[in-house]
Amino acid sequence: DAKTTQPPSMDCAEGRAANLPCNHSTISGNEYVYWYRQIHSQGPQYIIHGLKNNETNEMASLIITEDRKSSTLILPHATLRDTAVYYCIVSPSTDSWGKLQFGAGTQVVVTP
Amino acid sequence: GAVVSQHPSWVICKSGTSVKIECRSLDFQATTMFWYRQFPKQSLMLMATSNEGSKATYEQGVEKDKFLINHASLTLSTLTVTSAHPEDSSFYICSATPVASGREQYFGPGTRLTVT
Repeated sequence: DAKTTQPPSMDCAEGRAANLPCNHSTISGNEYVYWYRQIHSQGPQYIIHGLKNNETNEMASLIITEDRKSSTLILPHATLRDTAVYYCIVSPSTDSWGKLQFGAGTQVVVTP
Repeated sequence: GAVVSQHPSWVICKSGTSVKIECRSLDFQATTMFWYRQFPKQSLMLMATSNEGSKATYEQGVEKDKFLINHASLTLSTLTVTSAHPEDSSFYICSATPVASGREQYFGPGTRLTVT
């Protein structure tokens, strides 16, 4: 069963920040929040992950609410190449297999 | 870094034949590799988890005798679709978790299988 809820689609203007929400109200204490994206007909690409604290890397920032029931992925300056399906996934840290169960994701379309 | 390759990138085969797909981690060692399947306009579905030197663990509903997985080394896992049928036509994607980090998964580019 999917553990996350994401909007099915969203549009973003090129050059603007894209804020992608994700609800994970049933997340447990040992579960991480992962974000991946999949550009059409390619394998998914890892973006970022976090447990409690906000995280930032060269691709994006991840903001996790204090109660950890939701998070937001921020693409600071969206480009046309950021058009993709974005997946928010929760996965337990103690699961040595690291299984990822993909939901439907959010189709992000960046427009000029 | 963290590059995963798959071979072939696409393959067409006839019904009843077997097809082998290779997944390689090019610049890291991966104790664990995963195999996914994706049908058109659908999300990825985890098929199995592959650990080097041991038997693969299959997800519920995935036939282990039809989808043979071998993980012979820390950089190579193979998926063989045996006695392929048109309904096996799909996009097969592997991923690997680096031994060093154990958190993020890196995905291959996928293999498009068409069974005629």
